[in-house]
Amino acid sequence: DAGITQSPRYKITETGRQVTLMCHQTWSHSYMFWYRQDLGHGLRLIYYSAAADITDKGEVPDGYVVSRSKTENFPLTLESATRSQTSVYFCASSERGRGNTEAFFGQGTRLTVV
Amino acid sequence: AQTVTQSQPEMSVQEAETVTLSCTYDTSENNYYLFWYKQPPSRQMILVIRQEAYKQQNATENRFSVNFQKAAKSFSLKISDSQLGDTAMYFCALRQGAQKLVFGQGTRLTINP
Repeated sequence: DAGITQSPRYKITETGRQVTLMCHQTWSHSYMFWYRQDLGHGLRLIYYSAAADITDKGEVPDGYVVSRSKTENFPLTLESATRSQTSVYFCASSERGRGNTEAFFGQGTRLTVV
Repeated sequence: AQTVTQSQPEMSVQEAETVTLSCTYDTSENNYYLFWYKQPPSRQMILVIRQEAYKQQNATENRFSVNFQKAAKSFSLKISDSQLGDTAMYFCALRQGAQKLVFGQGTRLTINP
């Protein structure tokens, strides 16, 4: 299916475990992003990527690792999950453009760290 | 640093009424873009409307329009003839370079029958 997909949709993990959230887009968009959504904070940028093998930190990168070996995939790894990382995570992608291009979002992953 | 502030955590109106959601932002740049996204209970993020800062004319999309006040750094969203399907979380967002979006805290809008 065309679009941007995240997996899993829901995940429960234990404190200290490593967990990877997957993101796949079919448009060959240059830019990909990871956001977390928490009540009262809106969406905050964790990491973003301008192209394959190019990644950069966002506003809240601590405790997260990303990679982008292929244009279409942008996995997010929590190296040692903590309860403060309980959140809804959104992946997004957009074309390279003037800045008015639409960002397309996946349906989110609800992660609970117990 | 760029910041986006939505000062209304929740709003509630009757169906068919007009409602305005507020958004203020801060940026040192002259060239930037503003967006309103809608997030219904399905959690999907949907673009509602966008505005380019260098355009003085306010953007409109059917029942949705914005009031863009560049000097005041204000970007409010007006929903006319509100419908039950407009019930959602609404996020104001700012983009300035590198395609990154900075979001406000969100306003939860409820349309009552």
